[in-house]
Amino acid sequence: TQLLEQSPQFLSIQEGENLTVYCNSSSVFSSLQWYRQEPGEGPVLLVTVVTGGEVKKLKRLTFQFGDARKDSSLHITAAQPGDTGLYLCAGLRNQGGKLIFGQGTELSVKP
Amino acid sequence: DTAVSQTPKYLVTQMGNDKSIKCEQNLGHDTMYWYKQDSKKFLKIMFSYNNKELIINETVPNRFSPKSPDKAHLNLHINSLELGDSAVYFCASSPGLQQFFGPGTRLTVL
Repeated sequence: TQLLEQSPQFLSIQEGENLTVYCNSSSVFSSLQWYRQEPGEGPVLLVTVVTGGEVKKLKRLTFQFGDARKDSSLHITAAQPGDTGLYLCAGLRNQGGKLIFGQGTELSVKP
Repeated sequence: DTAVSQTPKYLVTQMGNDKSIKCEQNLGHDTMYWYKQDSKKFLKIMFSYNNKELIINETVPNRFSPKSPDKAHLNLHINSLELGDSAVYFCASSPGLQQFFGPGTRLTVL
């Protein structure tokens, strides 16, 4: 059973387009994180959202945590080739500090 | 100024062999982790140590044994390697919420 469902799994778009990645669960998380991973490297944290309904912006990236703290979305405006990579959402349950990852979204932005 | 480092970067070995992956962090974090990323890029936690003590042990075969000689190091030893162990293994450390990942070790079992 996959606790965090991430969609889409693959996304190939042209430079300048907008996109949204979704991370959904039936479970409540105390916080949710988004990571970006490039080939041959480890994931790097982009943002942590903690409060239900919270919206955070990082340049052209907008992150939202659902009101019930069960889902999150990542929206990228005017995507650029440098945005290409694997985007991972990860939820933190209350017990033990264990991060549970979604399956990831492989984004390819073509010039 | 490497924060979390792992060695080796690549490991190719035969079935049945025993191998170790080393991890070191110079961030002063108390908590360290081992993750396995499969061919579909799914990242799953294996172990977590806090100040040299095991706090998370997922349903991992007991052929996998983590060892933490001090809080800056968390090594992973794997006995009797199997084909299904082929994956990328990531070490990570954390002061709290954020996790800092190493560059990964790609293990290929032939």
